[in-house]
Amino acid sequence: RKEVEQDPGPFNVPEGATVAFNCTYSNSASQSFFWYRQDCRKEPKLLMSVYSSGNEDGRFTAQLNRASQYISLLIRDSKLSDSATYLCVVNMGDSNYQLIWGAGTKLIIKP
Amino acid sequence: NAGVTQTPKFQVLKTGQSMTLQCAQDMNHEYMSWYRQDPGMGLRLIHYSVGAGITDQGEVPNGYNVSRSTTEDFPLRLLSAAPSQTSVYFCASRNSPYGTDTQYFGPGTRLTVL
Repeated sequence: RKEVEQDPGPFNVPEGATVAFNCTYSNSASQSFFWYRQDCRKEPKLLMSVYSSGNEDGRFTAQLNRASQYISLLIRDSKLSDSATYLCVVNMGDSNYQLIWGAGTKLIIKP
Repeated sequence: NAGVTQTPKFQVLKTGQSMTLQCAQDMNHEYMSWYRQDPGMGLRLIHYSVGAGITDQGEVPNGYNVSRSTTEDFPLRLLSAAPSQTSVYFCASRNSPYGTDTQYFGPGTRLTVL
């Protein structure tokens, strides 16, 4: 089993719709969690950190479920510009070495 | 403020050739890393550095060397290129030693080994 798993998609979603996808992780000792966004043929960029209490940034909401070992990302009122691959990152410790990256979920927003 | 820069953007090598991928950052970050990204896989850490003169191996270090003579520069050297090293390479930096800190990535180098 992979340490961090994501549905590769693609998720094809009409503009204005709400979309959500999950990321599961295998190590229950994981300490911190992130969502990065990666546009086609570009570098990853931090979208948001995921806190235990959940957090929201505009149209984006991230949740953590420690009991079931997954994090989620919800995008409301999706825009064409939201089309990208969303990478889940799990940090099992304090060092860079313990960052585990998911392979990403591809999202395509259609007009 | 250029952030993290990488050169070259694209490179084609023949098996057995060596080359150096350049990475520089102007944010005075202590922590720098090299990742490779392959289709269907997450980013994998090759080598990292916690400061000038200090480097360590990541998850997939074989076939690669690094050095960190200055805070700004963190070159990655391919010793004898193999087709398995065909990948997209990203350099990243961040300010603190903690995994919770934001990583800033360079634009990547697309390497093909024939």
